[in-house]
Amino acid sequence: AAGVIQSPRHLIKEKRETATLKCYPIPRHDTVYWYQQGPGQDPQFLISFYEKMQSDKGSIPDRFSAQQFSDYHSELNMSSLELGDSALYFCASSMGPSSGNTIYFGEGSWLTVV
Amino acid sequence: SQQGEEDPQALSIQEGENATMNCSYKTSINNLQWYRQNSGRGLVHLILIRSNEREKHSGRLRVTLDTSKKSSSLLITASRAADTASYFCATDQSYNTDKLIFGTGTRLQVFP
Repeated sequence: AAGVIQSPRHLIKEKRETATLKCYPIPRHDTVYWYQQGPGQDPQFLISFYEKMQSDKGSIPDRFSAQQFSDYHSELNMSSLELGDSALYFCASSMGPSSGNTIYFGEGSWLTVV
Repeated sequence: SQQGEEDPQALSIQEGENATMNCSYKTSINNLQWYRQNSGRGLVHLILIRSNEREKHSGRLRVTLDTSKKSSSLLITASRAADTASYFCATDQSYNTDKLIFGTGTRLQVFP
């Protein structure tokens, strides 16, 4: 079965640079979520989209922005990168925003800021 | 803010033994989900239990939910070395969104 696809899998950037992560949800899933997981930490919710509109917002820095496109894929843009942004970034998708739907995660994108 | 706390933080057992992990949360929830994560890999969904359910089974997995105590447990029976991973519980608190709040996770090590 198709899963959530994230790219790139690994990314190395320097401080103050910009990075873009891409996410392709499971087919027919209309809701996308972004999470950040620091080393040894639990995943933290950043932002979500339903039908291309932002549906919820968590601890996402102002330097980050995201959007969901007409084909339901999503991109997370991170600017003015800081060392503390180094983390594993997960995208997840579900069918609809109503509570109770299973949320499926991708393999994640490793971002290292040097 | 962190919704869930898991207990124990780390657990080491021998193959064939059962592993029990507990999760406590602070606010009312609609559903609770358990995920597994191999080191540096993605989160694999294991099981979802709704707030009106008390117990669910899936293969060697058994999940219980006690909303009065705001706690859940994940039992893995007849563990295998391949079960070695971190296990997270995650809760959602709103009917309008599936946003999940994760617990701190339990690192399970199963020795052959």
